[in-house]
Amino acid sequence: ETGVTQSPTHLIKTRGQQVTLRCSSQSGHNTVSWYQQALGQGPQFIFQYYREEENGRGNFPPRFSGLQFPNYSSELNVNALELDDSALYLCASSFGVAGAGYTFGSGTRLTVV
Amino acid sequence: DAKTTQPNSMESNEEEPVHLPCNHSTISGTDYIHWYRQLPSQGPEYVIHGLTSNVNNRMASLAIAEDRKSSTLILHRATLRDAAVYYCILRDPGGSQGNLIFGKGTKLSVKP
Repeated sequence: ETGVTQSPTHLIKTRGQQVTLRCSSQSGHNTVSWYQQALGQGPQFIFQYYREEENGRGNFPPRFSGLQFPNYSSELNVNALELDDSALYLCASSFGVAGAGYTFGSGTRLTVV
Repeated sequence: DAKTTQPNSMESNEEEPVHLPCNHSTISGTDYIHWYRQLPSQGPEYVIHGLTSNVNNRMASLAIAEDRKSSTLILHRATLRDAAVYYCILRDPGGSQGNLIFGKGTKLSVKP
């Protein structure tokens, strides 16, 4: 059983650019959630995807968008990057939307300069 | 949003039990209490969850107060690998069912 895989592990972007982060969910899981974790803080919920549709969103602007594919993998896209977008981006997969027993990836460290 | 309160940090000695407290006075009747931990340079890891009764698994035990306004995660014998940030989380009652609301957690240090 493979866990959650995120790519890339590290990324440096310039303010104003766009970025795409990728996540492969754990085998057997059909739901993917994305979180942003600033240094020294707990993860903050961005949004969740279930059956290829957004199933809830946290307090993030529309320039944060996502996709889920038929194989349940997912992408997080961020447009018009700002310095404050620098953070660890975590992907979590689960079977169903109930929120128990999420499996998290190790994250993508995004630095915006 | 339902919120939890945890101590910022705790220390333990190796091979001793650790009791990590969490207060959640605004918990609703259908909220489950989840615990996750985050080791350095890793994503959070599921530890345990429960609703009303105490729960045990291979990693830890969860003791839930009768009024459900507090809970305690119990590590029976701490090891150096248990050094991590421990998060007590309630499922968001008003928003997406997938929204786990993380606080700052408790940073557990384990001394050899």
